[in-house]
Amino acid sequence: QSALTQPRSVSGSPGQSVTISCTGTSSDVGGYNYVSWYQQHPGKAPKLMIYDVSKRPSGVPDRFSGSKSGNTASLTISGLQAEDEADYYCCSYAGSFLFGGGTKLTVL
Amino acid sequence: QLQLQESGPGLVKPSETLSLTCTVSGGSISSSSYYWGWIRQPPGKGLEWIGSIYYSGSTYYNPSLKSRVTISVDTSKNQFSLKLSSVTAADTAVYYCAVRQVVTAMIDYWGQGTLVTVSS
Repeated sequence: QSALTQPRSVSGSPGQSVTISCTGTSSDVGGYNYVSWYQQHPGKAPKLMIYDVSKRPSGVPDRFSGSKSGNTASLTISGLQAEDEADYYCCSYAGSFLFGGGTKLTVL
Repeated sequence: QLQLQESGPGLVKPSETLSLTCTVSGGSISSSSYYWGWIRQPPGKGLEWIGSIYYSGSTYYNPSLKSRVTISVDTSKNQFSLKLSSVTAADTAVYYCAVRQVVTAMIDYWGQGTLVTVSS
């Protein structure tokens, strides 16, 4: 299994929107609605932000949204805030967990 | 609300076996509601799922690590453990214990992580 493909970095100004893509195959991302997204600040454990492609756990702001088309899932963060600056990882579950390589979000 | 805490040596010599323990609080390791697992992250790199175990003893391992990994449960101590044999410098990473609820397809709970360095 190869890691899911994410852009290494994205950036945006406060208040803007950014989208992070996550590309897999029909055996993982495309085959199941089990894509999750995790936010990780330096030195901290990952935090669940989106699950089952587009669902938000309680406590996650509605600025965070997820979607999927074919073999590519996306995380969109609208109304960027300084505290959103972090690494973001997508993850697909198909009997086992497969992560993306991670995307560093910089808030300019 | 489950809480997880990793423990174990922070330094392991090459070719030896890495051993870590995750202590669970706020829930029972014998519960049928969870899969108990491990995820690692090499310094500056991404996350890699290592494997998980169900209360019944069924184990599920990353194929790339399967020949070297053993995950087990100690119900008397409410802990689960990871053993990774024949380690090399490539196994240097922060190791997280991670739990998935049976009814979900995501990592619901994470430990804080522990750095294990493989070096002589």
